[in-house]
Amino acid sequence: QQQVKQSPQSLIVQKGGISIINCAYENTAFDYFPWYQQFPGKGPALLIAIRPDVSEKKEGRFTISFNKSAKQFSLHIMDSQPGDSATYFCAASLETSGSRLTFGEGTQLTVNP
Amino acid sequence: GAGVSQSPSNKVTEKGKDVELRCDPISGHTALYWYRQSLGQGLEFLIYFQGNSAPDKSGLPSDRFSAERTGGSVSTLTIQRTQQEDSAVYLCASSLTGGNNQPQHFGDGTRLSIL
Repeated sequence: QQQVKQSPQSLIVQKGGISIINCAYENTAFDYFPWYQQFPGKGPALLIAIRPDVSEKKEGRFTISFNKSAKQFSLHIMDSQPGDSATYFCAASLETSGSRLTFGEGTQLTVNP
Repeated sequence: GAGVSQSPSNKVTEKGKDVELRCDPISGHTALYWYRQSLGQGLEFLIYFQGNSAPDKSGLPSDRFSAERTGGSVSTLTIQRTQQEDSAVYLCASSLTGGNNQPQHFGDGTRLSIL
């Protein structure tokens, strides 16, 4: 079964700190790795995504680090803000399967002011 | 509207009843996906549409679940003879095509509660 494992389940960070969320996948055929942010009562919103031919991608305060040999990828949120408090999901997909997303279990991030 | 629209936003029904959930994708998006999010859980894939056809129905949990898409636009997810374990948030997403270079845009979901 295709799986994506995410950790930690919850994370508390002080304002200005770095938030780090990790994911590991099993299927080496996955070829697209997005991160989604979800606020209570809302649907997930795409934050940033990476393909396996790149080891790092940065967009503003958000960076994805990708380690193909270890089958792991992580999200780093620099200068974390209280407004970043949300649930974050990593995911993976395979173009030949119509890009259906396989999600991690989610990380509830709390950034204290 | 600019985004994916789902209705109703909340649905409470009795065990054994049938329910229909609706998704209006972003105009022009040919790919449409249904996912389910149970309390405290991640998102679970249900079904994928490309146009009006469903090349991947592998995530539907039982034959009580079905979905259709008409006119390459609106989709309905139907759950027959609902059970308490069907309680969850049902999310719809659409993308320009079914290819990997297209992000999936999610609606805010239908929160389904089975009494």
